[in-house]
Amino acid sequence: EAQLEESGGDLVQPGGSLRLSCAASGFSISKDWMSWVRQAPGKGLEWVANIRQDGKSEYYVDSVKGRFTISRDNAKNSVYLQMNNLRADDTAIYYCAREMWTKHGDFWSGYSDWWGQGTLVTVSS
Amino acid sequence: QSVLTQPPSVSATPGQKVTISCSGGTSNIGNNYVSWYQQVPGTAPKLIIYDNNKRPSGIPDRFSGSKSGTSATLGITGLQTGDEADYHCGTWDSALDVVVFGGGTKLTVL
Repeated sequence: EAQLEESGGDLVQPGGSLRLSCAASGFSISKDWMSWVRQAPGKGLEWVANIRQDGKSEYYVDSVKGRFTISRDNAKNSVYLQMNNLRADDTAIYYCAREMWTKHGDFWSGYSDWWGQGTLVTVSS
Repeated sequence: QSVLTQPPSVSATPGQKVTISCSGGTSNIGNNYVSWYQQVPGTAPKLIIYDNNKRPSGIPDRFSGSKSGTSATLGITGLQTGDEADYHCGTWDSALDVVVFGGGTKLTVL
């Protein structure tokens, strides 16, 4: 059974840093795009970033560009999110997810079929 | 403010049918495929519809999806109390180069 398990969430002061980890089991991430999605308290889902299978292509939502870095270690079957210069509005549950992407002509099909249980990041003084 | 627009809440009684709308634009829903996620409070999202109208293995056919132009719709028939959850739509936005989600819709089964 495929599983994703996030860790690393914590209480951190504004301006601080945190590194989240996502360990996969039951499947190899080496063939998959992987992503981080967050959910602030009482809010909807917000996609944060994703990374290609070989780690050589990444996409980020504007609000985290220059502050967050997604990376992966296929040998360790893990994905990471380095978060720097954290702000109060980064407070959220952070989910790791496997993404499936297919191009149909000019249209993209993308969705997340496997999700971890999430890890809570709280940014507060 | 989410790129995709969903109603904040919908409600219906057991056994009835409910639909949840998701409105976007040409750079997202209009030119890409839509997925839907069910999230019971306190748990992770779960994929229930992908590629506009396909169901993953194990998702009952009471759940359906459709897309027309720049809007998508999730339908749930034969409502059960266990269907109470938040429902989120999502898709790729070709102009922003990001995945975008709706704000989520809370389904209450009275």
